[in-house]
Order: sequence, then structure tokens, then C-alpha cells
Amino acid sequence: AQSVTQLGSHVSVSEGALVLLRCNYSSSVPPYLFWYVQYPNQGLQLLLKYTTGATLVKGINGFEAEFKKSETSFHLTKPSAHMSDAAEYFCAVIREPFGNEKLTFGTGTRLTIIP
Amino acid sequence: DGGITQSPKYLFRKEGQNVTLSCEQNLNHDAMYWYRQDPGQGLRLIYYSQIVNDFQKGDIAEGYSVSREKKESFPLTVTSAQKNPTAFYLCASSTRRGLNNEQFFGPGTRLTVL
Repeated sequence: AQSVTQLGSHVSVSEGALVLLRCNYSSSVPPYLFWYVQYPNQGLQLLLKYTTGATLVKGINGFEAEFKKSETSFHLTKPSAHMSDAAEYFCAVIREPFGNEKLTFGTGTRLTIIP
Repeated sequence: DGGITQSPKYLFRKEGQNVTLSCEQNLNHDAMYWYRQDPGQGLRLIYYSQIVNDFQKGDIAEGYSVSREKKESFPLTVTSAQKNPTAFYLCASSTRRGLNNEQFFGPGTRLTVL
């Protein structure tokens, strides 16, 4: 069964520093992977997704993620953190890409930006 | 504007009472989902529906019920059988065309049992 593991429930970075949020997946089929962001007391918003094709995926707000099959990873990065990036981030994988759209979410990483 | 609406934003319930959370979408999506979010546990799937008049249990369906009488609407009832209902509830929808299956989320309803 497909699953995702997010390493680090809390990450703090200084404003202007590199943001790196880690996600590893387990999947018996080619995975379809997503990163979502959640601001306090709001729903989730899609940052980016990987389905097929280019392994480096660019998303909104300057974020990007690289699908590495050999490492079963899909880490989220941003070169320079901004105060507005403070939020909770969720990695997710589609459980069964064909005919079933259920997502499995990681437990989330709360990102704090230090001024 | 197209999107998903959930109401109310905050809901308080006494123990032993049933309560219904509303979810409406105007995105013309076939599939709809209900998730429960608890601190440190991510999102867990309660129920999902891939088409009108059909729905399936997710991972934590006990104590919950749903209906899907219209494509636009997927209400969730939290029954008195749910032992720990205090949580943040999120509704989502997606198109079933293609394999991208991006889910769009509503703003959520925070339920507190008093």
C-alpha cells in the first residue's frame, strides 16, 4: 500500500535561508505525488504535483520538488524563505492511480520562519 | 468564482447530539471527500463519493454518515456514536477525468464537543 513519511514535524529557518521539507514515499506502483500547504484555520492548497515526465516540478510561491525514484523521495525546497511561507505542509500520494483517487497524507511539517 | 464552501466555520455540539456539516462545490467535480484533521496526525479519510448516489467508507468511517443526492453536495453527519468528534473537518473534490486527480479543498469546519 502507498504511504508517505514526512521527516520533521517542525522545521524552523531564517528569512532568506533555504527551505527543505522532506518526504519519502512507499509505493508498489509508479507514484503520483503532491505537496499541499495549509495556513492556520484554512483548507489545503496545492503547491505542486508529480505525475509523469520531468522529475523536477515547479510549483507556486517559488517552491519546487524533485522526484527521486532511487531514493523514494519527493522533497520540497525553496531557495529563499519568506515570512509568508510560515504554514503547515503536507506531502501526499495517490493510493491507486487507476480508477481510485484516494490520497494518503503525511502527518505534516510545520514551517516557522525566523525574522 | 468556482470553489468549495463549507459551513459553518465553527460548530459546537453537546455530547449525544448528531450534527451535520455542509459541503457544496460548483466545480462540476464528480468525486468528493471528507477528511478529519487532528494535530500531529495529518488528514484521515472518513468517506468519499465518486459519483452521485454512491459513496464508500474511508479509513475512519465509524460514527459518521454521508449522503450524495446531488453532484454539488456531500453533507457529513457526525453521530453520537463518534466517541471523539472534536476535530477540524475538511471537504474536498476532484475531477475523475485523467490521472492528475488534484483535490481541491474547502476552508474547513472546526467542530468542538462540549
